[in-house]
Amino acid sequence: GESVGLHLPTLSVQEGDNSIINCAYSNSASDYFIWYKQESGKGPQFIIDIRSNMDKRQGQRVTVLLNKTVKHLSLQIAATQPGDSAVYFCAPGAGNMLTFGGGTRLMVKP
Amino acid sequence: DTGVSQDPRHKITKRGQNVTFRCDPISEHNRLYWYRQTLGQGPEFLTYFQNEAQLEKSRLLSDRFSAERPKGSFSTLEIQRTEQGDSAMYLCASSLVIPYEQYFGPGTRLTVT
Repeated sequence: GESVGLHLPTLSVQEGDNSIINCAYSNSASDYFIWYKQESGKGPQFIIDIRSNMDKRQGQRVTVLLNKTVKHLSLQIAATQPGDSAVYFCAPGAGNMLTFGGGTRLMVKP
Repeated sequence: DTGVSQDPRHKITKRGQNVTFRCDPISEHNRLYWYRQTLGQGPEFLTYFQNEAQLEKSRLLSDRFSAERPKGSFSTLEIQRTEQGDSAMYLCASSLVIPYEQYFGPGTRLTVT
């Protein structure tokens, strides 16, 4: 079955620095990938997605990189702000099914 | 606010009682999903509907759990004879068929005492 792993369970960064959150996946049939942000007591919030036929996608202050060869993706957050503090999940998707890993907690130090 | 709403937001119940949660998806979304999330873990898939049809159920969904989406709009998730292990956040998400992106509601936090 699918397994999703995150390299660092907690990431602490200084406000204004860039953050990189990594994610490994195992299911080569995954055809899209979604990053979610979850703040305490709230549901996951859609940040950005990338299809398997792409290797990079940019949004507002965020960039997703996908390396299908090694089954790895990353979420880069530019100029990290205190409001970015949350748990981030990557969720590989195959068809209409998403699989979530355990998440990475991002802590932004002022 | 994603447009997915869940009610109630919090529920405390005694072991053995039945509970029911409601989810209202984004109006044009024909797919609706239920997940369970425990502290420190990612959401785990429970079941999903396309319109009113329940198309898939996880092995996590024991016989005490039942979900409905009678008119293809809102959905309910019922847990019968609750156990302490049912304590979790129950999340609902909705999506179109294409694109697949799922949008989550705020969740219902269940505490079984």
